[in-house]
Amino acid sequence: GQQVMQIPQYQHVQEGEDFTTYCNSSTTLSNIQWYKQRPGGHPVFLIQLVKSGEVKKQKRLTFQFGEAKKNSSLHITATQTTDVGTYFCAGLGAGANNLFFGTGTRLTVIP
Amino acid sequence: EAGVAQSPRYKIIEKRQSVAFWCNPISGHATLYWYQQILGQGPKLLIQFQNNGVVDDSQLPKDRFSAERLKGVDSTLKIQPAKLEDSAVYLCASSFRDSPLHFGNGTRLTVT
Repeated sequence: GQQVMQIPQYQHVQEGEDFTTYCNSSTTLSNIQWYKQRPGGHPVFLIQLVKSGEVKKQKRLTFQFGEAKKNSSLHITATQTTDVGTYFCAGLGAGANNLFFGTGTRLTVIP
Repeated sequence: EAGVAQSPRYKIIEKRQSVAFWCNPISGHATLYWYQQILGQGPKLLIQFQNNGVVDDSQLPKDRFSAERLKGVDSTLKIQPAKLEDSAVYLCASSFRDSPLHFGNGTRLTVT
């Protein structure tokens, strides 16, 4: 079955440092979505990537979709305390109807 | 626009008891999902509805879990009987066609 793994599982950074989380799927994806979940909250949609090699930016966040459409990354430049939370990628398999969430990366930002 | 509404917010039950969760999706969203999120893990899809029809329930433990969306709007998820390993947050989400998922605040279930 489809599996989506994320690394690292946890990341502690000093405020101002950069952060990257990587997402790898066992199967080719038709698209990938990224969600952020604050402690005690629910996942909130950040962005969707559809095209092979696609790169999208949202202020300090940069999202990439791999050429083979099996991996993705999220990079945060100069982290802030508001970036704290767990970041999930969620992949839609080719021909599938539902999203498969990754294992998540929990980010802690030390002021 | 009003978000996805879920109730109750918290529920504590003993093992072998039954429990039900309710979800009201965003108006106009035909697709409704129930996810189970165990502490420290990503959300795991239990069941997906398109209007009142089931699209995917392959990961729903059908011996104890059931869900319905009779009129294609509200949905209920039931567990009977509950086990200790059912302790988790149950998230309801909805979407419009191929749009991203909008999640509710979830129901945190503790089974003792």
